[in-house]
Amino acid sequence: GAGVSQSPSNKVTEKGKDVELRCDPISGHTALYWYRQSLGQGLEFLIYFQGNSAPDKSGLPSDRFSAERTGGSVSTLTIQRTQQEDSAVYLCASSIGTSGRAGSGDEQFFGPGTRLTVL
Amino acid sequence: AQSVAQPEDQVNVAEGNPLTVKCTYSVSGNPYLFWYVQYPNRGLQFLLKYITGDNLVKGSYGFEAEFNKSQTSFHLKKPSALVSDSALYFCAVRASATDSWGKLQFGAGTQVVVTP
Repeated sequence: GAGVSQSPSNKVTEKGKDVELRCDPISGHTALYWYRQSLGQGLEFLIYFQGNSAPDKSGLPSDRFSAERTGGSVSTLTIQRTQQEDSAVYLCASSIGTSGRAGSGDEQFFGPGTRLTVL
Repeated sequence: AQSVAQPEDQVNVAEGNPLTVKCTYSVSGNPYLFWYVQYPNRGLQFLLKYITGDNLVKGSYGFEAEFNKSQTSFHLKKPSALVSDSALYFCAVRASATDSWGKLQFGAGTQVVVTP
């Protein structure tokens, strides 16, 4: 079956421009996550969605970052007025989304990422 | 707050020798622990997880990990390393009893280099 897909695979933009990154989770997965992987650093949690619940946005680094998940499937991460420090690989993941705290044990399946370069 | 430490930036091992990648964690209550591997220019792949039960967990590609509660560790092991195991390995933890169950805390990663 198809895994998590992300588009574009690479994005080069100029400082100050807005960008949109897209994630298609595995069909049937109700939980979706966004992470950022910067050069020389580990994975930084950004946001996650679980079903119809309010998303946990606690990892978003500034109000320039936002994410939506339409229809419980596809998600878009938007970065407004991009800065050079936003350059990173943005990873999306999905999991089955077992209800409640039992979902803590679900493994996440990752997409290939979008490499964002802000000039 | 939950945290993960991978004390080694890089581990070098000869092919055929045992491989160990270290991970320690800090979390309130019982942990859920995960190992992921990232090959060059690819996303992370799930290797194994500890939720409950046996402390020794077996996963993909011949890897296993041992949960040690007293030492708060979850080291990844493979009895005989292959050149193809060369990759970046991430340990991750999540508290089992938390309202923010979706937030997975990753370590900084350990680069494994297996030489022929």
